[in-house]
Amino acid sequence: EIVLMQSPGTLSLSPGERATLSCRASQSVSSGSLAWYQQKPGQAPRLLIYAASSRATGIPDRFSGSGSETDFTLTISRLEPEDFALYYCHQTGSSPALFGQGTKLEI
Amino acid sequence: QVQLVQSGAEVKGPGASVKISCKASGYTFNAYYIHWVRQARGQGLEWVGVINGAVGATRHAQKFQGRVAMTRDTSTTTAYMELSSLTSEDTATYYCAKGGNRTWGPLEHWGRGTLVTVSS
Repeated sequence: EIVLMQSPGTLSLSPGERATLSCRASQSVSSGSLAWYQQKPGQAPRLLIYAASSRATGIPDRFSGSGSETDFTLTISRLEPEDFALYYCHQTGSSPALFGQGTKLEI
Repeated sequence: QVQLVQSGAEVKGPGASVKISCKASGYTFNAYYIHWVRQARGQGLEWVGVINGAVGATRHAQKFQGRVAMTRDTSTTTAYMELSSLTSEDTATYYCAKGGNRTWGPLEHWGRGTLVTVSS
């Protein structure tokens, strides 16, 4: 199975700063099957990025994804107050379709 | 617009079974996969399994082997997940999510979740 390791576990930044979140896979992941989700307390996850670098509908362009094979990155160029949340990477290219353990982005 | 409406919260005793429904609308139900994902309080997202909306084929995480059954009813555009032999470790919010059509992902639309509490 492909294990996804996210780092850091917690990222403390301020509004206006740049956030860089990492997702490292134990085996190569098809770029087409790597996605990023944002989750806020009490809410279902929301799709941000799919196919490693494509923004989902309605996602602001300050969110961007990059990477391939075993190393993927989610970048938030200028943090807005509403961006402080949990972020998960997820691969759906093979079974089991595991999630990373998450990165908490806090002020 | 795509909507996934899940059934209400459940409280079950240890050893019991729970069946959660996920009513889909706003898209061609049998053209897409539906995933089930759970989240214990304060914990991360855990993939449970996936069902092919067209043919009903399923895959699930090994830890649920023998305990999970995912089905769908194309006439009512509803997906179901039944989990048996419940323990306190199954207490979690269970989400259904619409996957891709030719591929499993991404999980673009999610239900609001169903809280399952296992308690004696």
